[in-house]
Amino acid sequence: QVQLVQSGAEVKRPGSSVRVSCKTSRDAFTRHTFHWVRQAPGRGLEYMGGVVPGYGKTSYAQKFQDTVTITADDSATTAYLEVKWLTSDDTAMYYCARGTFSNYFDSWGQGTLVTVSS
Amino acid sequence: QSVLTQPPSLSATPGQNVTISCSGSGSNIGDHYVSWYQQLPGTAPKLLIYDNHERPSGIPDRFSGSKSGTSATLDITGLRTGDEADYYCATFDSSLSVGVFGGGTKLTVL
Repeated sequence: QVQLVQSGAEVKRPGSSVRVSCKTSRDAFTRHTFHWVRQAPGRGLEYMGGVVPGYGKTSYAQKFQDTVTITADDSATTAYLEVKWLTSDDTAMYYCARGTFSNYFDSWGQGTLVTVSS
Repeated sequence: QSVLTQPPSLSATPGQNVTISCSGSGSNIGDHYVSWYQQLPGTAPKLLIYDNHERPSGIPDRFSGSKSGTSATLDITGLRTGDEADYYCATFDSSLSVGVFGGGTKLTVL
């Protein structure tokens, strides 16, 4: 059973940044991609972007291209999501998901709640 | 507005069968595999169907998927109260070069 363990809940001020981590085992990390999906309160799933570990190649949904950075640390077998210039609209649950080369997400983290409030 | 279109809600009674539709276009469903996810209240999404119709181990055969052209469907037979959840379709979009989700369907089992 693949486990993706995300960092804990965050409360941030508007205009600040947040970094969320997603750690898994070496076996689960290798030969997969890692993605971030957010879910605002009461809303649906929204794809943000993903990374190919080992190559550092990233892709982002257009909406997030200027405010989001996704990285992967191969030695730590961890993927990261950084969101800059937070606004109240960024208050959401953020999920990491492991991707396959058939473009589906076979394992999900438990979610990290990010609350943006002054 | 989601790239993939799903009915916002459906309701049915235990034992009934339901079909959840997912409509897209040539650059997404028409050209790529579709996957489906189940999100029970307060939990992370879980993979239900991949590669249009394949089930991961542990997913009962009451759940089945299919694709035709630019649309996909998720069928659930013999509904149970535990199937009450939000269901999302997803695929890759060649024009956007990223993954895309449907808006989700809230299934109520009365």
